[in-house]
Amino acid sequence: QVQLTESGPGLVHPSETLSLTCTVSGFSLTGYSVYWVRQPSGKGLEWMGRMRYNGDTSYNSALKSRLSISRDTSKNQVFLKMNSLQTDDTGTYYCTRLGAYWGQGVMVTVSS
Amino acid sequence: DIVMTQTPSSQAVSAGEKVTMSCKSSQSLLYSENKKNYLAWYQQKPGQSPKLLISWASTRESGVPDRFIGSGSGTDFTLTISSVQAEDLAVYYCEQYYDTPLTFGSGTKLEIK
Repeated sequence: QVQLTESGPGLVHPSETLSLTCTVSGFSLTGYSVYWVRQPSGKGLEWMGRMRYNGDTSYNSALKSRLSISRDTSKNQVFLKMNSLQTDDTGTYYCTRLGAYWGQGVMVTVSS
Repeated sequence: DIVMTQTPSSQAVSAGEKVTMSCKSSQSLLYSENKKNYLAWYQQKPGQSPKLLISWASTRESGVPDRFIGSGSGTDFTLTISSVQAEDLAVYYCEQYYDTPLTFGSGTKLEIK
């Protein structure tokens, strides 16, 4: 069955870089796009970016200067890197195929 | 970017009542070539990931109770819950997937009296 699992550090210091991994199973990264969506604590959903099935990427313009999404198809993994983190980047980060398939989310706290 | 505006921001209803919530997009989500509206509705319960309820504005996902009804076209969309149950306590989001960046509405929080 389709599964997506996020992993990464729970705590990041201000100005540092966040690195998250999404490990997928039950489908191929060359057949489906994977998206990153985040949710600041107590707030709504924000689309961050996309790794398309063909390897192309697209980003939320508000985050584009800080964000990079890549993948390793041999490991069934999609990666998110975002630099210059600030406290308002605190929240839950999801990887998703959108639609019916979402990871459980990883909580990231930006604090010194 | 396509802006999604959801109203109301919160709503309190009693079990058994009918509830409607609105989602408006800043541009049409209707793709002329296939006549499909690129609009989805998600339900997010406390502490959980979003769950897809409806895609293409009105197509209910398998296993979603038929009390959840999506309607609308173009720029105006509605999610109706025909008879609210206690387990429907959640925040409901609309999302457009017509164009990138994909965008979500700010959500309607449903509370049960």
